[in-house]
Amino acid sequence: KQEVTQIPAALSVPEGENLVLNCSFTDSAIYNLQWFRQDPGKGLTSLLLIQSSQREQTSGRLNASLDKSSGRSTLYIAASQPGDSATYLCAANSGGSNYKLTFGKGTLLTVNP
Amino acid sequence: EAGVTQFPSHSVIEKGQTVTLRCDPISGHDNLYWYRRVMGKEIKFLLHFVKESKQDESGMPNNRFLAERTGGTYSTLKVQPAELEDSGVYFCASSQTRNTIYFGEGSWLTVV
Repeated sequence: KQEVTQIPAALSVPEGENLVLNCSFTDSAIYNLQWFRQDPGKGLTSLLLIQSSQREQTSGRLNASLDKSSGRSTLYIAASQPGDSATYLCAANSGGSNYKLTFGKGTLLTVNP
Repeated sequence: EAGVTQFPSHSVIEKGQTVTLRCDPISGHDNLYWYRRVMGKEIKFLLHFVKESKQDESGMPNNRFLAERTGGTYSTLKVQPAELEDSGVYFCASSQTRNTIYFGEGSWLTVV
């Protein structure tokens, strides 16, 4: 049974700081891994998707890495901004080309101006 | 293009009552998923439709939950009778195979 753990549960940083969010998963037989963002009272927005054959994906100030052998993924946010404040969720997909996501509990990020 | 739409956005019902949640996926998406997050827990998979067929319903907690997707378009998730532990956020998502999954904003259910 896949389990996903995210550390830390909450993080508060000053604006402009670079930061790393961590995600670990117990079963390395994943199809892909995805990072989502959730704003309060809103749905989930996909940020980055890393296929099992890939090591990293980048989008703007965001970079996600994947190490299947160690069961770890990281989300790196460069030059953080107050608008980055949200809950960040990591999800491992074990459902093949269809989505059966196992989520972590998330990291609540606060970027202070 | 409209996103995944869910109704109602918030619902408060008494224990023992019935609630029906509706999800309209993105037009043309064959895959429709239901997930939920109960208080203090992570988001968990409930089930997956491909068009009108249930592909995987391994996450459905018990027989008080019934999901349907008539005609392969919108889907409903009925909870009958509702219990206190059913309180949480119910998310619907849709995708075309191999492409990005899109989530709705969720239906917030409170059972009192």
